[in-house]
Amino acid sequence: DTAVSQTPKYLVTQMGNDKSIKCEQNLGHDTMYWYKQDSKKFLKIMFSYNNKELIINETVPNRFSPKSPDKAHLNLHINSLELGDSAVYFCASSLGGRGNSPLHFGNGTRLTVT
Amino acid sequence: AQSVTQLDSQVPVFEEAPVELRCNYSSSVSVYLFWYVQYPNQGLQLLLKYLSGSTLVESINGFEAEFNKSQTSFHLRKPSVHISDTAEYFCAVSASNNDMRFGAGTRLTVKP
Repeated sequence: DTAVSQTPKYLVTQMGNDKSIKCEQNLGHDTMYWYKQDSKKFLKIMFSYNNKELIINETVPNRFSPKSPDKAHLNLHINSLELGDSAVYFCASSLGGRGNSPLHFGNGTRLTVT
Repeated sequence: AQSVTQLDSQVPVFEEAPVELRCNYSSSVSVYLFWYVQYPNQGLQLLLKYLSGSTLVESINGFEAEFNKSQTSFHLRKPSVHISDTAEYFCAVSASNNDMRFGAGTRLTVKP
């Protein structure tokens, strides 16, 4: 009965490769997010989707492309991976678009680029 | 856009001592405030939130936070900590655009 699930949990790959991270939520939420957490634990929002529509797109290299096939899924595809992409990526979801709903996080995907 | 500053990157404290983790926010509009906790190798979990009403909010495990609009603060407190409270704590602010921003985190280490 996992609320927000991400796969894979660990991802080790070489520079230049393309990889995807999948996220699914079963909470009935309409808004989903991708956050990046660096080695110093700093959390930075990357993208936010509400009802499959992109509403937040921070300054992220266009090598990162989110895709939301439906309200329950938000995947992240990364092209031409670089060393600096190594981080933990968190998917999250919330209900409603008014800012007063807390986020529910997945357990993260630790991406290591070698 | 709104932003959050957590004033302490690390807070070491002995078991059963009180603790305060400090958080200040900046925003030109009304905001909602949250504290999240992150245990090792896990995602963030909501600890407590301030949306409106009483400025003092509490969690089920003894933490409390007070919203102070004049000082733009939302400090987290616990009167007596346990070893199991050792974790990373994040303060977050959200405005009506659903854009939640996090502070840099405070590492709370409870020592026996």
